[in-house]
Amino acid sequence: ELKVEQNPLFLSMQEGKNYTIYCNYSTTSDRLYWYRQDPGKSLESLFVLLSNGAVKQEGRLMASLDTKARLSTLHITAAVHDLSATYFCAVDISSGNMLTFGGGTRLMVKP
Amino acid sequence: EAEVAQSPRYKITEKSQAVAFWCDPISGHATLYWYRQILGQGPELLVQFQDESVVDDSQLPKDRFSAERLKGVDSTLKIQPAELGDSAMYLCASSLVSYEQYFGPGTRLTVT
Repeated sequence: ELKVEQNPLFLSMQEGKNYTIYCNYSTTSDRLYWYRQDPGKSLESLFVLLSNGAVKQEGRLMASLDTKARLSTLHITAAVHDLSATYFCAVDISSGNMLTFGGGTRLMVKP
Repeated sequence: EAEVAQSPRYKITEKSQAVAFWCDPISGHATLYWYRQILGQGPELLVQFQDESVVDDSQLPKDRFSAERLKGVDSTLKIQPAELGDSAMYLCASSLVSYEQYFGPGTRLTVT
């Protein structure tokens, strides 16, 4: 059974600081997604990582994938309050695009 | 920009009643998914359709849940009878085959 674990579960940080969210998964996969969810809202796609060594950046967020270590990271640079949300990683181990989500990391950026 | 549509956005129902949710995927997306998200957790896949066919429904509690996509476009998820533990956000997503999933706004269900 595939397990997807994120840490930390909760992160409170000051504006301007850097931090990394980790996503570990238990079964071989070369397709990983990061989503953002604001309270009471749906999921917004952030990154799609499709191969080992893939790195993608958008604004203050950068995601990477190491399929050999079964690890993805979401790095936050110089955090701002608008980044406050819950971030989910999701892994697809099938060719059928069936995603297993991690438990989420709730990020709170304080002024 | 095309979006996944869901209705209703909110639903309050009493235990043992029937409830139904509707989803209209992005035009041209052959694959449709229903997820359940319990507060404070990640979404859990309930059922996946490819056109009108069920690809996977292994996590769907079939004694009370049913899903259909009769014409391969929009879809309905039904719960009968609803139980207190069914209170959650029900999310619909769609995608082109084996590609990025786009999520709808969700239906928040409260069972009293």
